Amino acid sequence: NAGVTQTPKFRILKIGQSMTLQCAQDMNHNYMYWYRQDPGMGLKLIYYSVGAGITDKGEVPNGYNVSRSTTEDFPLRLELAAPSQTSVYFCASSIRDGTDTQYFGPGTRLTVL
Amino acid sequence: AQSVSQHNHHVILSEAASLELGCNYSYGGTVNLFWYVQYPGQHLQLLLKYFSGDPLVKGIKGFEAEFIKSKFSFNLRKPSVQWSDTAEYFCAVNAAGNNRLAFGKGNQVVVIP
Repeated sequence: NAGVTQTPKFRILKIGQSMTLQCAQDMNHNYMYWYRQDPGMGLKLIYYSVGAGITDKGEVPNGYNVSRSTTEDFPLRLELAAPSQTSVYFCASSIRDGTDTQYFGPGTRLTVL
Repeated sequence: AQSVSQHNHHVILSEAASLELGCNYSYGGTVNLFWYVQYPGQHLQLLLKYFSGDPLVKGIKGFEAEFIKSKFSFNLRKPSVQWSDTAEYFCAVNAAGNNRLAFGKGNQVVVIP
């Protein structure tokens, strides 16, 4: 099992550009999550999904969009990138809900200039 | 919404010293509690978790945590640290029935050989 994979590992964007952060898991987990981690600030939940076709907002969803067309994939879309979106983005998955262990990907370090 | 507090963001210790990291949360109902760890260059991974039963929980690598309901705390301890315990440690709380995890800001722990 590859677990949770994320691409790209690093990316630099200019203000106003768009991009999609990819996340995939091969563990057949129903729940998937996107977090951002700013220095000294811990992880903040952006969006999560409880299964294919079902997504919901987390704590900091503004400026992002998600979709979940398959169990395996949970891409995060940034439209009109802003410097405030400079962060490290982590994708995670779990079998069940928030009571379950979450398995994290390696992260994507995004810089918006 | 639940919130999680971790103090002393940067901790520097010598090998064989004891480690205690504090975690306090604000939620009056039933909670599920987690400590995650991120070693340098590695994914976030679960260290230990508490759902119910014995409030003293043992995790990997000699770590343990104690849930004290009256103090809304879930402190992490290790009696004798090693250089390989250098990592960032995150406390996380899930309110029962909620799909989300709330993370603390993390403790950056450096163990000097």
